Amino acid sequence: SQQGEEDPQALSIQEGENATMNCSYKTSINNLQWYRQNSGRGLVHLILIRSNEREKHSGRLRVTLDTSKKSSSLLITASRAADTASYFCATDNNDMRFGAGTRLTVKP
Amino acid sequence: DTAVSQTPKYLVTQMGNDKSIKCEQNLGHDTMYWYKQDSKKFLKIMFSYNNKELIINETVPNRFSPKSPDKAHLNLHINSLELGDSAVYFCASSQDGAHEQFFGPGTRLTVL
Repeated sequence: SQQGEEDPQALSIQEGENATMNCSYKTSINNLQWYRQNSGRGLVHLILIRSNEREKHSGRLRVTLDTSKKSSSLLITASRAADTASYFCATDNNDMRFGAGTRLTVKP
Repeated sequence: DTAVSQTPKYLVTQMGNDKSIKCEQNLGHDTMYWYKQDSKKFLKIMFSYNNKELIINETVPNRFSPKSPDKAHLNLHINSLELGDSAVYFCASSQDGAHEQFFGPGTRLTVL
């Protein structure tokens, strides 16, 4: 089985700054997904990027995928205090695997 | 309208007891999952069910057993609870294994 592994484990920034989180995986994938989890709650799907895509945008989110390096990054621009949450990446290869997440804290 | 619901939200019980957590989805999805999130926030898949057939069974103790009475439900039954079972358990569903998953709110299990 494979899973996404996020880094850093924790990230603390000021409101308005950009936040970048990275994810690495081990074997080939069909797609990679990013999820967000607010404290004590379930995960919410943010964005899916397919293996033949290199970059994808959704609002203030930008996801890149480098299949040669088996890595992805999630960029949140102009962060807000409400972006404070844990962010997980998950890869699929007929099933879904999650990493341990990056805990983002955005200070007002 | 809740897409994926779990009950109970909190469960506190003694070691050795047997308990169940219920999960229901009204999305018409074919695949449902159970995850365990430990105190370090690591999210680990436990089971997934596709059309009432178990297709993933991670190396979880056989004290844990998923039960699916129909496509919309996947309940988690735990026998002889241990201290280490304390965690938050999340149910999720998806159209299939390659699509996004929709998560329930979680059940926080505390074993005393």
